[in-house]
Amino acid sequence: AQKITQTQPGMFVQEKEAVTLDCTYDTSDQSYGLFWYKQPSSGEMIFLIYQGSYDEQNATEGRYSLNFQKARKSANLVISASQLGDSAMYFCAMSAKDGANNLFFGTGTRLTVIP
Amino acid sequence: EAQVTQNPRYLITVTGKKLTVTCSQNMNHEYMSWYRQDPGLGLRQIYYSMNVEVTDKGDVPEGYKVSRKEKRNFPLILESPSPNQTSLYFCASSLGTGEETQYFGPGTRLLVL
Repeated sequence: AQKITQTQPGMFVQEKEAVTLDCTYDTSDQSYGLFWYKQPSSGEMIFLIYQGSYDEQNATEGRYSLNFQKARKSANLVISASQLGDSAMYFCAMSAKDGANNLFFGTGTRLTVIP
Repeated sequence: EAQVTQNPRYLITVTGKKLTVTCSQNMNHEYMSWYRQDPGLGLRQIYYSMNVEVTDKGDVPEGYKVSRKEKRNFPLILESPSPNQTSLYFCASSLGTGEETQYFGPGTRLLVL
């Protein structure tokens, strides 16, 4: 069974600084996908970044990068140059290679950016 | 604009009164799914559909029904809502059933009294 663990219920970061949000996963599948989503206070779920298990390079999308360490089964999100608008809940998720594309989510980390 | 829409966005109802939450996507996606989000539990999958007329249970299907008669629509039906179904509901879709990125609708906040 797939499992996602986010051990940081809340994080604070100073504006313009970088922050790392932790995510570890457990799966017996050889092929899987890892995702990060952002949920602002308005409630919508916004896709941020994707990493495939066979991708050799870490994924990057603008200020977001995914620090993928396969042997450690970790997929940490790095946000560079934090902005006030980055304050939100962040969810790590994994898709199972079961033909159904089901997503398994962690419990989330609430990030607060301090001016 | 490519999007997933849900209606209604907010709903207050009473126990036992049947309701339907609609979901529609305009991206010609094959895969659609429903999740519920509860504090401390993250998102949990209710039902999913890999194509028209193909649906299957997720992790928490009890008390819910779905149908997929058209590719773009995937309504969630609560035949007899109960207070433990008070939650934030998300519909999502993706192009296929590989490790495809799922795009979420804006969410529906449901309160069952």
